[in-house]
Amino acid sequence: GAVVSQHPSRVICKSGTSVKIECRSLDFQATTMFWYRQFPKQSLMLMATSNEGSKATYEQGVEKDKFLINHASLTLSTLTVTSAHPEDSSFYICSARESPGTSGSTDTQYFGPGTRLTVL
Amino acid sequence: QKEVEQDPGPLSVPEGAIVSLNCTYSNSAFQYFMWYRQYSRKGPELLMYTYSSGNKEDGRFTAQVDKSSKYISLFIRDSQPSDSATYLCAMKGTGGFKTIFGAGTRLFVKA
Repeated sequence: GAVVSQHPSRVICKSGTSVKIECRSLDFQATTMFWYRQFPKQSLMLMATSNEGSKATYEQGVEKDKFLINHASLTLSTLTVTSAHPEDSSFYICSARESPGTSGSTDTQYFGPGTRLTVL
Repeated sequence: QKEVEQDPGPLSVPEGAIVSLNCTYSNSAFQYFMWYRQYSRKGPELLMYTYSSGNKEDGRFTAQVDKSSKYISLFIRDSQPSDSATYLCAMKGTGGFKTIFGAGTRLFVKA
């Protein structure tokens, strides 16, 4: 099955620092990757959709200057939380969708294991 | 009205019980229907994927889609404590439509 990795799995940082989270599709090409945020016992909140080689599309209420997304290749997208504050502490999950036309593609999203960010 | 409605539970059942998880939706354009399982502090993993109406079975899991009623279900037979997790339904239309997720139902299977 399709595998998505995320690094790091856990990060603790001081307020004001920037944190970069990587999302990789390991065995398939992903034209589109998604970044979600999840608070305890709540469902996924889509933050942004990124397409390889173009600017990310952010959901309403998500600050694009605070959550920088780069999707430089078909297998890698990064989320950088700039000048992190304690309220940014959360579980961040990426997912990747197989490129259209890929042999056997189900157009389904596959999720990474998540990154738990704690800002002190 | 939310596009996808899912009872958050929690749902608690004894080991061996048949579990029924459900979602309703309002957008008739949805064609792809998924169920994800998420363990605590982990990312969701795809359990079942169904296109359009009908049933799909995989081991102890059966997914049903009734597009006429805009209702999807996931059945778990012979439930095990290891099935304790949050189950999220998800659905999308064709083309560039976003995947819409339900709120997730927390399931506890007691030994």
